[in-house]
Amino acid sequence: EVVLTQSPGTLSLSPGERATLSCRASQSVSSRYLAWYQQKVGQAPRLLIYGASSRATGIPDRFSGSGSGTDFTLTISRLEPGDFAVYYCQQYGSSPYTFGQGTKLEIK
Amino acid sequence: QVQLVQSGAEVKKPGSSVKVSCKASGGTFRSYAINWVRQAPGQGLEWMGGIIPMFGSANYAQKFQGRVTITADESTSTAYMELSSLRSEDTAVYYCARVSADAEYSSGSRFDYWGQGTLVTVSS
Repeated sequence: EVVLTQSPGTLSLSPGERATLSCRASQSVSSRYLAWYQQKVGQAPRLLIYGASSRATGIPDRFSGSGSGTDFTLTISRLEPGDFAVYYCQQYGSSPYTFGQGTKLEIK
Repeated sequence: QVQLVQSGAEVKKPGSSVKVSCKASGGTFRSYAINWVRQAPGQGLEWMGGIIPMFGSANYAQKFQGRVTITADESTSTAYMELSSLRSEDTAVYYCARVSADAEYSSGSRFDYWGQGTLVTVSS
């Protein structure tokens, strides 16, 4: 089973700042099979990034993904109030399709 | 546009079973994988298993093997997740999620579409 470890657990930033979230895998994950989701309180997760760096439909270009192998990054270039949420990475290359434990992005 | 609508909240006794439904509309049902993901209160996301309706057989996470059964009814475009031998730790929101439109016949793909979630509370 691929274990995904996200860091930091909580990130405190202000609107307009840049956010960098990390996802590290216990074994190599093909870039084709790494996704990022955003989840707001009381809502289902929403797909942001797939294939490590491709934005899902309707996702603004402030969101970008990068990385390969075991290290992946989600970057939000200029935080807006609606971006403060919990972010999860997921690998879907090998079953079980595991998620990281999440990074909470909170307003500073 | 694909929509997934789940059944309503449930309260169950320890040791009992729960069956949650997920009705799909707006797309082809039979050839796209439906997955089940749960989220305990204040916790992260946990993949339980998935099924491609036309193939019939489900793939489960080891943790839930023997306790979970995922099925799909093509005639009603509805997927089901049944969890047995419930315990308090199974209290969670259960989500169904469908893979992307470019992942026909494939179980390993991103989850593009999500249901609204079903809260299952296990309490004596």
